[in-house]
Amino acid sequence: RKEVEQDPGPFNVPEGATVAFNCTYSNSASQSFFWYRQDCRKEPKLLMSVYSSGNEDGRFTAQLNRASQYISLLIRDSKLSDSATYLCVVTARENQGGKLIFGQGTELSVKP
Amino acid sequence: EAGVAQSPRYKIIEKRQSVAFWCNPISGHATLYWYQQILGQGPKLLIQFQNNGVVDDSQLPKDRFSAERLKGVDSTLKIQPAKLEDSAVYLCASSLDLGLAGGRNEQFFGPGTRLTVL
Repeated sequence: RKEVEQDPGPFNVPEGATVAFNCTYSNSASQSFFWYRQDCRKEPKLLMSVYSSGNEDGRFTAQLNRASQYISLLIRDSKLSDSATYLCVVTARENQGGKLIFGQGTELSVKP
Repeated sequence: EAGVAQSPRYKIIEKRQSVAFWCNPISGHATLYWYQQILGQGPKLLIQFQNNGVVDDSQLPKDRFSAERLKGVDSTLKIQPAKLEDSAVYLCASSLDLGLAGGRNEQFFGPGTRLTVL
């Protein structure tokens, strides 16, 4: 079983749509959780951290369910510029020095 | 503030040849990471340095891959000899310090080196 698994893509949605990405992780000792965004042929960049209480940043909402080992990202009112691959990322235990474990990514394509 | 620098940006070699990649992290960042990203997959950590010491190299194929960070700043990743399955993007990242990621330990990635092995 992969350590971090994401919805297989790609997701093709029209502008203005709401889209949700799901992610599960296998290590219950994982400490921190993130969503990264990676544009085509570019490096990954941190989109947002994910907290147990849920957190929102503009059109983006992230949720974490530790009991189910499940993470989600909701994008409302999709823009063309949201087209990218979204990577679900968890860290290992604290004594593993911040090692990031990435999912395989889910590609999003927003069409006019 | 300058970001993480990597070179070369692209490299094409034949199998069994050797190749080296260079990374210059963000100034002041103590922790440096090398990741391998194969097409269609997420990045996978190869090796992590804290200053000039290795923190984690558990996923580095040590029979052919080596990395060093002798002065605790720049780093070099080498593959010798290369195999077809080494074709990937090699990403370097840095963070201020170790510990739980996020906040002061956010990892910043360089643009990567795209390696093609023929």
